[in-house]
Amino acid sequence: EVQLVESGGGLVQPGGSLRLSCEASGFTFRTYWMSWVRQAPEEGLEWVANIKPDGSEEYYVDSVKGRFTISRDNTKNSLYLQMNSLRAEDTAAYYCARFGMVGTIDYWGRGTLVTVSS
Amino acid sequence: QSALTQPRSVSGSPGQSVTISCTGSNSDVGNYNYVSWYQQHPGKAPKLMIYHVDKRPSGVPDRFSGSKSGNTASLTISGLQADDEADYYCCSYAGSYTYVFGTGTKVTVL
Repeated sequence: EVQLVESGGGLVQPGGSLRLSCEASGFTFRTYWMSWVRQAPEEGLEWVANIKPDGSEEYYVDSVKGRFTISRDNTKNSLYLQMNSLRAEDTAAYYCARFGMVGTIDYWGRGTLVTVSS
Repeated sequence: QSALTQPRSVSGSPGQSVTISCTGSNSDVGNYNYVSWYQQHPGKAPKLMIYHVDKRPSGVPDRFSGSKSGNTASLTISGLQADDEADYYCCSYAGSYTYVFGTGTKVTVL
């Protein structure tokens, strides 16, 4: 059974940093594209970042470029999101997600909540 | 990277059909057949319902169907059931390994 379990969320002040983690199990992690998707309170979904199976390439939504970094450790079946220079508008539930079929997220974690506030 | 446009809400009685539209542009929906649809119940993670415009993952009832015409994709739910009441989001590949989601639609079963 595919499982994605996020951790690392919490309350952080504007300008601060946070590192999210996602532990994957139930599939061969090193062969899949992975992604982070976020959802602000009472708002819709927003794709944040993708990373290739070998970690060699990363892609980001414009609003987080230069501030967020997606990475992975295939030896630990883990995905990460380093978030720097956080802003109030980054407040959201952050979901770890797997790309199964080409161009399609097929599994999601339960999310971890990030709140940016003073 | 503008969000795809969906109606804020649609509703129907049990047994009826509802259709949700998802309008993008030539840069996303109109240019790629990588459109997917997700169902999200309150407080839960999204669930994949349709992928590649009109394909259903195993376990998804055939009451759910997808289509696309030009820059607009659509999700139809036939034989509406109480458990179908949820938020629905479309998602499209937008080129250069980027993706864009729709604004979301709340489906209400009357």
